[in-house]
Amino acid sequence: NAGVMQNPRHLVRRRGQEARLRCSPMKGHSHVYWYRQLPEEGLKFMVYLQKENIIDESGMPKERFSAEFPKEGPSILRIQQVVRGDSAAYFCASSSTGRSSGNTIYFGEGSWLTVV
Amino acid sequence: AQKITQTQPGMFVQEKEAVTLDCTYDTSDQSYGLFWYKQPSSGEMIFLIYQGSYDEQNATEGRYSLNFQKARKSANLVISASQLGDSAMYFCAMRPMDSNYQLIWGAGTKLIIKP
Repeated sequence: NAGVMQNPRHLVRRRGQEARLRCSPMKGHSHVYWYRQLPEEGLKFMVYLQKENIIDESGMPKERFSAEFPKEGPSILRIQQVVRGDSAAYFCASSSTGRSSGNTIYFGEGSWLTVV
Repeated sequence: AQKITQTQPGMFVQEKEAVTLDCTYDTSDQSYGLFWYKQPSSGEMIFLIYQGSYDEQNATEGRYSLNFQKARKSANLVISASQLGDSAMYFCAMRPMDSNYQLIWGAGTKLIIKP
């Protein structure tokens, strides 16, 4: 029973390039969340998606960042024209429902983006 | 504003000793959840323990227990009989009443277990 799968684990991009991070949720989960972790900090919420819908993108920068969760395939977090400040760990999490109690959010292993 | 505070940026503990990692939170919600996660040097975020605000008993999971003091708004993590493999960053997080996903995270505590 595979958990939340993220790839790539590590990604290096030059300034101005695009970064694409993928997340396959746990089997049976239709809710996906992206978080960003800057060095020496806790996670910050970015975006919450269900299949083909963005539910809450209040934590995502308005420019250069976008996310999708298509009907088929993984969720993708896209960062266009990356800058050094985008260097961070990006965590994906998934759950089977959007609102419930207890620990129902499962995290992937993270994708580390380094912008050089 | 809702907030999580972890006052210990780093801790050194002798192997086999118990360790308490502090976490205080600020919320006006009546219902909320509190989490502890472990992040080893490999980077993954590992769930350790969960406490609901209405749970009357402190949560326990193996060597981990959560010392929940609601009136003080604290949710300290206690690790009994520490092991070298416990060396990692530890994060306290809170789930507000109206959200299952907008977890609010503390800045973390780096725990190093000495042999």
